Amino acid sequence: AQTVTQSQPEMSVQEAETVTLSCTYDTSENNYYLFWYKQPPSRQMILVIRQEAYKQQNATENRFSVNFQKAAKSFSLKISDSQLGDTAMYFCAFMKHGNQGAQKLVFGQGTRLTINP
Amino acid sequence: DVKVTQSSRYLVKRTGEKVFLECVQDMDHENMFWYRQDPGLGLRLIYFSYDVKMKEKGDIPEGYSVSREKKERFSLILESASTNQTSMYLCASSLGVSGQPQHFGDGTRLSIL
Repeated sequence: AQTVTQSQPEMSVQEAETVTLSCTYDTSENNYYLFWYKQPPSRQMILVIRQEAYKQQNATENRFSVNFQKAAKSFSLKISDSQLGDTAMYFCAFMKHGNQGAQKLVFGQGTRLTINP
Repeated sequence: DVKVTQSSRYLVKRTGEKVFLECVQDMDHENMFWYRQDPGLGLRLIYFSYDVKMKEKGDIPEGYSVSREKKERFSLILESASTNQTSMYLCASSLGVSGQPQHFGDGTRLSIL
């Protein structure tokens, strides 16, 4: 079974700083997908970024980028020029490649990120 | 944009009641999921469905059942609610293609008294 570990329950940085959230996972699969989701306070969970394991290039979405280290089974999220609106719970998630039953997510415990003015 | 709608934002029920949580998606997604979210535990999968009338157990199915009679609707049923089922429940849907992201509803905060 796959497991996902986020070792930082809470983090806090000043506005405009860069922050990195850690995520490690354990799997025997070779082909899979990794995701970061954001859940603002009392608001909907939304996708931040997605990485395909067979792609060596790290995914980026504007101020959000990942450092994907497949051999180390590490998938960290970097937020550059952090903004107050980045305050949220962040979840790392893993999905196997495959049909039907494979298409479920395994989530980490979450990191509560606070951006201070 | 994909819209996943959960019937209630907040719900209070009593121990022993049968509780229904409803979820509807408007994007013709094949997959639908029910999670519960608890502090420090992240999201844990209760049940999921990859087609109408199909269901598979997730990691914590005990005390729950589901129903998917129509493609757009996925219901979570607490057969006899207990206080340890007090939690946030999240519904999600996704296309039936490998690697597709899931889209989430706003969640239902359920309290069992």
